Amino acid sequence: NAGVTQTPKFQVLKTGQSMTLQCAQDMNHEYMSWYRQDPGMGLRLIHYSVGAGITDQGEVPNGYNVSRSTTEDFPLRLLSAAPSQTSVYFCASSRTGENTGELFFGEGSRLTVL
Amino acid sequence: AQSVAQPEDQVNVAEGNPLTVKCTYSVSGNPYLFWYVQYPNRGLQFLLKYITGDNLVKGSYGFEAEFNKSQTSFHLKKPSALVSDSALYFCAVRPRGDYKLSFGAGTTVTVRA
Repeated sequence: NAGVTQTPKFQVLKTGQSMTLQCAQDMNHEYMSWYRQDPGMGLRLIHYSVGAGITDQGEVPNGYNVSRSTTEDFPLRLLSAAPSQTSVYFCASSRTGENTGELFFGEGSRLTVL
Repeated sequence: AQSVAQPEDQVNVAEGNPLTVKCTYSVSGNPYLFWYVQYPNRGLQFLLKYITGDNLVKGSYGFEAEFNKSQTSFHLKKPSALVSDSALYFCAVRPRGDYKLSFGAGTTVTVRA
């Protein structure tokens, strides 16, 4: 019963490098999302998806791309990393429909951009 | 646009005393409201949610929250705090008909023995 799995847990990048944060869930959840957590700012939504082939922007989408080719996977891509993207990133999923909505979170990926 | 405010960055209480973590929100219509807890270097864990019905919601680990529509508040409470309750607590709101969950900035709770 893995839940939401994120890899890698830690990553150090140089400015301008690219990388992909992986997220997979085994709960057959339709909704998946990426958040970044910064001190004093809570969690801010980057991108989200309500099903395979459907993605949309959240509050802070600039500098990030996503795709959703399967129900299980929702990778987050940084095409050209910047120091402002140093953060802890969380992937989360949930069922859709009314009377639902509690998110299940991964353990987080700590990214440092030098 | 929806928003969540947690007016206290930190809450300090003695073990055995009541614990309250405050949350107010701004969203059109009747929202879904949530509380999450984050222990050091971990992901967030769901505590409780308000969907509809009784304004007092009971959740995990002895926590409860009271929904007050007139004051647009959803304060988290625990009658008798434990040292193990020390963590970072987040309030979150989701408008009905939307899936985007917006979080407050978080409140660090420290329970001293």
